[in-house]
Amino acid sequence: NAGVTQTPKFQVLKTGQSMTLQCAQDMNHEYMSWYRQDPGMGLRLIHYSVGAGITDQGEVPNGYNVSRSTTEDFPLRLLSAAPSQTSVYFCASSYGERYEQYFGPGTRLTVT
Amino acid sequence: AQSVTQPDIHITVSEGASLELRCNYSYGATPYLFWYVQSPGQGLQLLLKYFSGDTLVQGIKGFEAEFKRSQSSFNLRKPSVHWSDAAEYFCAVVGTDSWGKLQFGAGTQVVVTP
Repeated sequence: NAGVTQTPKFQVLKTGQSMTLQCAQDMNHEYMSWYRQDPGMGLRLIHYSVGAGITDQGEVPNGYNVSRSTTEDFPLRLLSAAPSQTSVYFCASSYGERYEQYFGPGTRLTVT
Repeated sequence: AQSVTQPDIHITVSEGASLELRCNYSYGATPYLFWYVQSPGQGLQLLLKYFSGDTLVQGIKGFEAEFKRSQSSFNLRKPSVHWSDAAEYFCAVVGTDSWGKLQFGAGTQVVVTP
């Protein structure tokens, strides 16, 4: 199993541009989530999904959209990138809400 | 408000010495507790978890953690560190009223000296 995969590994955007961060898992996990990591703040939850077709907001959802059309994929969309969205983004998955989460390798995003 | 606190931002330890990383939480009921490790440029790897039962939990890479309800703490320990233990360590918590929504501490950076 590849586990949780994320693409791209690195990305540079200009302010106002949009893009999609990809996340996929091959473990048939129902629960998937997106976090951002900023220095001194740990990881903060952006959006999560408890199954295909079901998504909800986390702690810092503004400026991001998600959808979950399949069990495997959970893309994160930046609608209009801002410098405040410069961060490292991690996708995670688990069998369900009450289980430990497995993390992908991350995407480092810089917005200039 | 619910919170997770790792009081130590940075710890330096000699190779072969013991290591203890502190984690305190503030939640209404006993949450589920986790420790993750992040090596430079890598994702997070689960070291161990506590859901219920025995308060001393064994994890991977020789780590253990002890849950103390009276102190709202879940401290991570290793008796003898190796140079490869240099990394950032995160305590994370899930409340039983907020399933799936991991709340992380700010992390503790561990440096291992020869």
